[in-house]
Amino acid sequence: ELKVEQNPLFLSMQEGKNYTIYCNYSTTSDRLYWYRQDPGKSLESLFVLLSNGAVKQEGRLMASLDTKARLSTLHITAAVHDLSATYFCAGAPGGYGGSQGNLIFGKGTKLSVKP
Amino acid sequence: DGGITQSPKYLFRKEGQNVTLSCEQNLNHDAMYWYRQDPGQGLRLIYYSQIVNDFQKGDIAEGYSVSREKKESFPLTVTSAQKNPTAFYLCASSILHNSYEQYFGPGTRLTVT
Repeated sequence: ELKVEQNPLFLSMQEGKNYTIYCNYSTTSDRLYWYRQDPGKSLESLFVLLSNGAVKQEGRLMASLDTKARLSTLHITAAVHDLSATYFCAGAPGGYGGSQGNLIFGKGTKLSVKP
Repeated sequence: DGGITQSPKYLFRKEGQNVTLSCEQNLNHDAMYWYRQDPGQGLRLIYYSQIVNDFQKGDIAEGYSVSREKKESFPLTVTSAQKNPTAFYLCASSILHNSYEQYFGPGTRLTVT
């Protein structure tokens, strides 16, 4: 059974600093997703990582996937207040050959960027 | 404008009443999903459907029911058997190839007293 763990669960950063959110998963998951959620809102897709070694970047956010270590990271560069939100990673149980229906979500990392 | 709509945005019900949450998509996606989110938690899968007239239970299906009579629509009924129905409910849809990326609707916040 796939389990997804994120850490830290809470992160308070100063503007301009760098930090990394970690997402560990327990069994095979060849696809890894990162989502952003603002308070009271729905989820917005940030990155889809489909293969080992995949790296994607958008603005100040960069995500990577290491399937051998069962680890994905979301790196924040020179944080700004607008990045304050909750970030979720999610894995797909069984990879392509298994059930494609569901995603297993981590508990989320609540990021607060202070001036 | 393609997307996923959920209605209503807020819903208040008395304990013991069934309630149906609407989810519609015009993205021509084959698969649709219902998730539940509790405060400070991640999302948990309730039901999903990959094809019309077929659906599968997720991790927390007890006390919920769904139907998929049309590709565009996947309503969720929260029954009186659901012990703790107050939550934020999110509907999503996806294609079933390539990235399988799920797109989410705006959500329905259900409060049962």
